[in-house]
Amino acid sequence: DAGVIQSPRHEVTEMGQEVTLRCKPISGHDYLFWYRQTMMRGLELLIYFNNNVPIDDSGMPEDRFSAKMPNASFSTLKIQPSEPRDSAVYFCASGTQEVRNTDTQYFGPGTRLTVL
Amino acid sequence: AQSVAQPEDQVNVAEGNPLTVKCTYSVSGNPYLFWYVQYPNRGLQFLLKYITGDNLVKGSYGFEAEFNKSQTSFHLKKPSALVSDSALYFCAVRDSGYSTLTFGKGTMLLVSP
Repeated sequence: DAGVIQSPRHEVTEMGQEVTLRCKPISGHDYLFWYRQTMMRGLELLIYFNNNVPIDDSGMPEDRFSAKMPNASFSTLKIQPSEPRDSAVYFCASGTQEVRNTDTQYFGPGTRLTVL
Repeated sequence: AQSVAQPEDQVNVAEGNPLTVKCTYSVSGNPYLFWYVQYPNRGLQFLLKYITGDNLVKGSYGFEAEFNKSQTSFHLKKPSALVSDSALYFCAVRDSGYSTLTFGKGTMLLVSP
């Protein structure tokens, strides 16, 4: 298995632009998580899905952030409009149906976002 | 609520010496505890977990962790450190009543030759 795939790996954009991050979870996993990592705040959970349905988006910082999972093999995290304080590494992770008991999440390589 | 604390931002150890990375947690129910490792420019990789049973858990790359309920701790250990163990280590916890993991801020482990 190729593991969790994220694209792009690096994104540099200007303030006010729309940014879309993409994630392909491991086949067969029915939980998908989006995290953000910064030096100041560490690793934060933004939102997670179960069977393509958003379960908890309380970690999404503002209405500028939105996430979708149109099918079991694809998810997007969109920031519109982007701001410099959104600069961070964004990780996608997936897990199996047993995640409630085992919680072994498998992380992608991350997208490093820089907003100028 | 669930929380986890990693009291050390950085741990320095010489190659061949034992290492310990500390983690304490707070939950209201039964804790499920995890260690992940992050190498530079990479995602987090699962190392080991405690769900139930033996308090000493063995994981990948020779790492182990001991669950101590009375001290609410789950310290990561390795008998003999390698330079290649240098990385950022995260402890995470899930209360049996919650659905998601809470991660600590991470501890940078630096192993010198």
